[in-house]
Amino acid sequence: GAVVSQHPSRVICKSGTSVKIECRSLDFQATTMFWYRQFPKQSLMLMATSNEGSKATYEQGVEKDKFLINHASLTLSTLTVTSAHPEDSSFYICSARDPRLAGGNEQFFGPGTRLTVL
Amino acid sequence: GESVGLHLPTLSVQEGDNSIINCAYSNSASDYFIWYKQESGKGPQFIIDIRSNMDKRQGQRVTVLLNKTVKHLSLQIAATQPGDSAVYFCAENTNAGKSTFGDGTTLTVKP
Repeated sequence: GAVVSQHPSRVICKSGTSVKIECRSLDFQATTMFWYRQFPKQSLMLMATSNEGSKATYEQGVEKDKFLINHASLTLSTLTVTSAHPEDSSFYICSARDPRLAGGNEQFFGPGTRLTVL
Repeated sequence: GESVGLHLPTLSVQEGDNSIINCAYSNSASDYFIWYKQESGKGPQFIIDIRSNMDKRQGQRVTVLLNKTVKHLSLQIAATQPGDSAVYFCAENTNAGKSTFGDGTTLTVKP
């Protein structure tokens, strides 16, 4: 149980285009979803926290107009990288939390999406 | 600001030996800590967690120790196997449920 999927797993796009990444909780209701970015050989950096039906809360230094997050249902959150540039190339990972699962604190992570911007 | 960090970036052990991975945290208000394993190209995988009202918690082949006095967390892996090779992250949770990740330790298990 508590499986999180991401789609696509890998995407290559041209500079200036927008890319949408989906994060789904398959067998539980994710009241909260988190989006992380991970550069090679570095740790996960939290980008934003989204609660279903609410606007996402972005971490300091993360441009909300560039990284659009939508959490319209309890099982789906999307991250759209707008006008992507090569420096946006990274590994994007989502996680989901259901306060009714595992004591409420545990986050269940997706497999990640590798974005390469040419 | 608060941060969670790891003492050593890499650790190499012989198969069958025990591994100890350390982590220092700075937010004394953190009340929940987690260890994750991340294999190349994959998302983090939960290993074990511990709440701040505990000093030790054991799982299958893994033990987490928490020393709140010096704000130190460690992960012990018994009888390390080649499949344990990965990057290990500690993370601390705030009251808002956000996880702050440490820098990661790369564990390499030599056959």
